[in-house]
Amino acid sequence: SQQGEEDPQALSIQEGENATMNCSYKTSINNLQWYRQNSGRGLVHLILIRSNEREKHSGRLRVTLDTSKKSSSLLITASRAADTASYFCATLSGGYQKVTFGTGTKLQVIP
Amino acid sequence: ETGVTQSPTHLIKTRGQQVTLRCSSQSGHNTVSWYQQALGQGPQFIFQYYREEENGRGNFPPRFSGLQFPNYSSELNVNALELDDSALYLCASSPGLGSETQYFGPGTRLLVL
Repeated sequence: SQQGEEDPQALSIQEGENATMNCSYKTSINNLQWYRQNSGRGLVHLILIRSNEREKHSGRLRVTLDTSKKSSSLLITASRAADTASYFCATLSGGYQKVTFGTGTKLQVIP
Repeated sequence: ETGVTQSPTHLIKTRGQQVTLRCSSQSGHNTVSWYQQALGQGPQFIFQYYREEENGRGNFPPRFSGLQFPNYSSELNVNALELDDSALYLCASSPGLGSETQYFGPGTRLLVL
């Protein structure tokens, strides 16, 4: 079963614009991670935010976490055509490394 | 590149057959997890191996089984294939149980006819 629901399911923006995608999850977590997937291939880890953190930055990425609402957002600033991909949130919980993925947001950046 | 490799890249099987997928972990990683990703969905956790022992399992039937070898490479075996087993199968390795980050391979795309 999927832990997270992401919205929007699909997003199309112009190059240079910002892209925001949201993730909601159901159970308490240790951390939340965002991954990128190009063309149905392997996943690339983008950023991790721990349950006691509220905001984190990495380059053009900004992630927020609200554990009271069980939600997270990923902001990609100044988007590029190369950012076109599917983005997944994933939560880590439990005693072993069971990572539970959301349903994903498909981002298209138009040059 | 994560250093995690998977073989084969693509595979076509017929219903009822058995399949073995392989994963070579990144050097120094003793933990491997397998995921199934159906078209248009997020990956779903199948199971995890740590030092050759199964360390956790998702909601998959026993016909999904695995092995981890002393060099930490891994296999996923699926018996009695069903049409719904058609998916991208991803493995991910990490340096230990305490690691927060996993490194994914490129996946094996399985089509069951």
